[in-house]
Amino acid sequence: GESVGLHLPTLSVQEGDNSIINCAYSNSASDYFIWYKQESGKGPQFIIDIRSNMDKRQGQRVTVLLNKTVKHLSLQIAATQPGDSAVYFCAEEGYGGSQGNLIFGKGTKLSVKP
Amino acid sequence: ETGVTQTPRHLVMGMTNKKSLKCEQHLGHNAMYWYKQSAKKPLELMFVYNFKEQTENNSVPSRFSPECPNSSHLFLHLHTLQPEDSALYLCASSQGRQGFYEQYFGPGTRLTVT
Repeated sequence: GESVGLHLPTLSVQEGDNSIINCAYSNSASDYFIWYKQESGKGPQFIIDIRSNMDKRQGQRVTVLLNKTVKHLSLQIAATQPGDSAVYFCAEEGYGGSQGNLIFGKGTKLSVKP
Repeated sequence: ETGVTQTPRHLVMGMTNKKSLKCEQHLGHNAMYWYKQSAKKPLELMFVYNFKEQTENNSVPSRFSPECPNSSHLFLHLHTLQPEDSALYLCASSQGRQGFYEQYFGPGTRLTVT
């Protein structure tokens, strides 16, 4: 079945360091992937997305890498700041009967130490 | 902030009560969603509406009843809930249903069933 999961439930980094959050997905036919950030007391907030015809996409301080060979997705945050502390979710767009739906992973909690 | 508002933000209800959650989006989107977020579990899609028509019911118990009077408003009517229904209920909207549309989330309603 379809599933999206995260390698590590928690990640602690020093302020100013780079953060890497990983995600594995099971459906090799998935065409679209999204990273969301959820701060305490808020709903998930879109960070960056990538389509399957790309292997890298950059935003402001964030980069998403897609490795279709091993079905792996990662989010890199440069110069991590305290405001980056949150839970990060990867999601893939479903296929077949679930096309248009997002399938979310469990989330990785990122803690930034000052 | 995201253009999706939810009320109330917190709700405590007994198992015999009837209550409703409200969601409103100010983004001109055509699709709206209800998700359930429980501790240590991925976001679970509950219902999907596209152009006011329900297109998906993800095997949700009948004690949850959605209503979408127009493309901007979405309700979730609750009755005779169980304690295990306690969770964060998130509403989201997107421009369309298929074709790489990101979803914008509201802040959620924290529901506690006593």
